[in-house]
Amino acid sequence: GNSVTQMEGPVTLSEEAFLTINCTYTATGYPSLFWYVQYPGEGLQLLLKATKADDKGSNKGFEATYRKETTSFHLEKGSVQVSDSAVYFCALSEGNYGQNFVFGPGTRLSVLP
Amino acid sequence: GAVVSQHPSRVICKSGTSVKIECRSLDFQATTMFWYRQFPKKSLMLMATSNEGSKATYEQGVEKDKFLINHASLTLSTLTVTSAHPEDSSFYICSATQGALGQPQHFGDGTRLSIL
Repeated sequence: GNSVTQMEGPVTLSEEAFLTINCTYTATGYPSLFWYVQYPGEGLQLLLKATKADDKGSNKGFEATYRKETTSFHLEKGSVQVSDSAVYFCALSEGNYGQNFVFGPGTRLSVLP
Repeated sequence: GAVVSQHPSRVICKSGTSVKIECRSLDFQATTMFWYRQFPKKSLMLMATSNEGSKATYEQGVEKDKFLINHASLTLSTLTVTSAHPEDSSFYICSATQGALGQPQHFGDGTRLSIL
């Protein structure tokens, strides 16, 4: 079946550091890929998405490129802020009705001032 | 756009009480809604998938008589935790999707349920 693997956290960075959170996936077909962010005590917010190979999703300074050859969708940000501290979930979706939606385990990011 | 409202955000009640949580898509029609449970510092655990007008599909290990799901319209799904006990205390999150290929799930803000 489909699966999503993320790097183990927690990740602790200083403000303005470069961020990479690795995400790789296994899928039978051609999934759409997503990054979600969860701030403490809140639900998940869609951060960015990509629906086909070589697409780059971007939002709020975060970027991720859909790499079919390496089955990866790594999240990057050039300069993190304290307000980026949250849990980040990589996810994939196949099918027309979203039933085959698979989340990674999440990576907790802490950014120190 | 694509806003999902979940209510209430927090519930504290006595053991044996039934609790209803609502999930509404405010500006789109949700063909499919999902209910998740999240334990502290853990990922989301899918409980069930519901399609408007049909019975929910429950994941293995989730008691359908304990967690009643109703998806009465394209904008509303409810989760009722029946005869809740302390072990049901958790963070419950709903999501909704428009159902087109490649569409994301849009999440509510979650409900913190505490059973005393």
